[in-house]
Amino acid sequence: DTGVSQDPRHKITKRGQNVTFRCDPISEHNRLYWYRQTLGQGPEFLTYFQNEAQLEKSRLLSDRFSAERPKGSFSTLEIQRTEQGDSAMYLCASSADPQGYYGYTFGSGTRLTVV
Amino acid sequence: QKEVEQNSGPLSVPEGAIASLNCTYSDRGSQSFFWYRQYSGKSPELIMSIYSNGDKEDGRFTAQLNKASQYVSLLIRDSQPSDSATYLCAVNTHNQGGKLIFGQGTELSVKP
Repeated sequence: DTGVSQDPRHKITKRGQNVTFRCDPISEHNRLYWYRQTLGQGPEFLTYFQNEAQLEKSRLLSDRFSAERPKGSFSTLEIQRTEQGDSAMYLCASSADPQGYYGYTFGSGTRLTVV
Repeated sequence: QKEVEQNSGPLSVPEGAIASLNCTYSDRGSQSFFWYRQYSGKSPELIMSIYSNGDKEDGRFTAQLNKASQYVSLLIRDSQPSDSATYLCAVNTHNQGGKLIFGQGTELSVKP
């Protein structure tokens, strides 16, 4: 068990470009969550998966954002036509508990800078 | 009103003192409560969870929960400079798909 893994750790992109982030959850964890955190704020929920099914998307997830979890293993978060306001830390977390009763473990995050 | 609110920081305490961090939440259906520690530039790390009213102690950390007042706190005894970080309060309301709702965080600075 190597924990939740995210790639890349840092990404600098020009405005208007597309970016994709990857998250590999802890292997036995069915639940996978994506959050976004901007400076001085707590993590904000974006979306979550139960296995391969995306069960909820936040209003924060505009139509430029899309997330997938094919085969219920790793997940990807894609941002199209990036804007400067997308600059943030993107956090992935996983849990074996569908109720989230025990909290969950975050990956190290992907820091996105849009210039 | 935000779902989870924390007292604004930064909070500065001298080394060896008790640091007290507070959090209120709005949903009375909330059932699980967590404290995460986040060092600058790093991701949040779960340090305490509490589920029932009262105190829960783990080493120098004590979490306190009062569901009637919708209030959660974290006490750090004998604060060390290594405790300097942002502390995030998170709440799980089980009818929201198991997701955690986070407060904005309180930055703690422990001065040697």
